[in-house]
Amino acid sequence: GIQVEQSPPDLILQEGANSTLRCNFSDSVNNLQWFHQNPWGQLINLFYIPSGTKQNGRLSATTVATERYSLLYISSSQTTDSGVYFCAVEGEKGGSEKLVFGKGTKLTVNP
Amino acid sequence: NAGVMQNPRHLVRRRGQEARLRCSPMKGHSHVYWYRQLPEEGLKFMVYLQKENIIDESGMPKERFSAEFPKEGPSILRIQQVVRGDSAAYFCASSLGLAGGRNTQYFGPGTRLTVL
Repeated sequence: GIQVEQSPPDLILQEGANSTLRCNFSDSVNNLQWFHQNPWGQLINLFYIPSGTKQNGRLSATTVATERYSLLYISSSQTTDSGVYFCAVEGEKGGSEKLVFGKGTKLTVNP
Repeated sequence: NAGVMQNPRHLVRRRGQEARLRCSPMKGHSHVYWYRQLPEEGLKFMVYLQKENIIDESGMPKERFSAEFPKEGPSILRIQQVVRGDSAAYFCASSLGLAGGRNTQYFGPGTRLTVL
């Protein structure tokens, strides 16, 4: 099945810094979503982005489907950005709509 | 405009008991997915259902686990004779099931199951 790799696994920032999180996937996809899991365990939808670029406030994401990667940009980070960021994809092949998740990037933003 | 609802949010069971987890999808959504997150791990797909049908259960353990999404009412994930290894967060997601790469899945808050 499709493989998803996220990097880096851990990231520590000072408040106000910018960061880029990467997601590589091994095959063509119908769907790619970025999630933030906050310290209370809730999963928050950030972007639905199988291709192209989207922006939402301090966050933006770009997916280059032909090269099989997606990037999540966080600018002017805040302590509330802390948590784990997951990339998840639905493979084009196979016929099922299941999402395959990467292992996540654990982000810690210090004041 | 309620999102995906899951209950209970926390569930404690002793080994050998049954656990029933409920999921009400977003209004208008007919596709439901269950995922499991073991401690310190990412989410793993378990089962995908549409109303009254199991579409893909390739991620669900063959024994003790079952899922349903009846015509009326919430989707239920049932775990019989729970063991300590079943302790995890169980997330439900729902979608409209749109084709052509437009099928966003929306996740509920999860049910945290602890088996004593």
